[in-house]
Amino acid sequence: QKEVEQDPGPLSVPEGAIVSLNCTYSNSAFQYFMWYRQYSRKGPELLMYTYSSGNKEDGRFTAQVDKSSKYISLFIRDSQPSDSATYLCAMDTGRRALTFGSGTRLQVQP
Amino acid sequence: DTAVSQTPKYLVTQMGNDKSIKCEQNLGHDTMYWYKQDSKKFLKIMFSYNNKELIINETVPNRFSPKSPDKAHLNLHINSLELGDSAVYFCASSHAAGLSYEQYFGPGTRLTVT
Repeated sequence: QKEVEQDPGPLSVPEGAIVSLNCTYSNSAFQYFMWYRQYSRKGPELLMYTYSSGNKEDGRFTAQVDKSSKYISLFIRDSQPSDSATYLCAMDTGRRALTFGSGTRLQVQP
Repeated sequence: DTAVSQTPKYLVTQMGNDKSIKCEQNLGHDTMYWYKQDSKKFLKIMFSYNNKELIINETVPNRFSPKSPDKAHLNLHINSLELGDSAVYFCASSHAAGLSYEQYFGPGTRLTVT
């Protein structure tokens, strides 16, 4: 079993929809949680960073962490075709070595 | 003014050759990393350096040798390349201990071994 599980998708939604992306993990030592967006043939771009449990909002993006359930989410409101990319969750115990999910491919249809 | 840059962007070479990939960051970070992304897009850490000192070595074959001449640069040298080394290699950087944990990635180097 992988330390971080993420549904690979693809997830296809119409423009303007609310998108929910999720990861589960098994290592209770993870404390730092990140979401990255990766366009095809590009490097991962940091979207959201959260420490421990709770919510964080940045524009159309909201990150949620539930450490008791070992579950993290990224919500994208009013999704746009430009949001079409692979979304990677990543976690760190504090060791400064990210453990990534396998990524969810999102397609937003105009 | 790219934050984390890598050269080359593409590298095609034959089995048995030795090659290097260079990485530079201008974010003022103290820690730099190499990650490998395989054909299934799975990203896995290889090494991390903090202020030129090796911190993490994730059971990578010793054909891979990172070198950090200063805290803004981290190079990756690969000896005796094998077919299985074909992947995209990403450099990343972050602040040192006690500060935030966000890591910022470069654009990647796509290595193809034939």
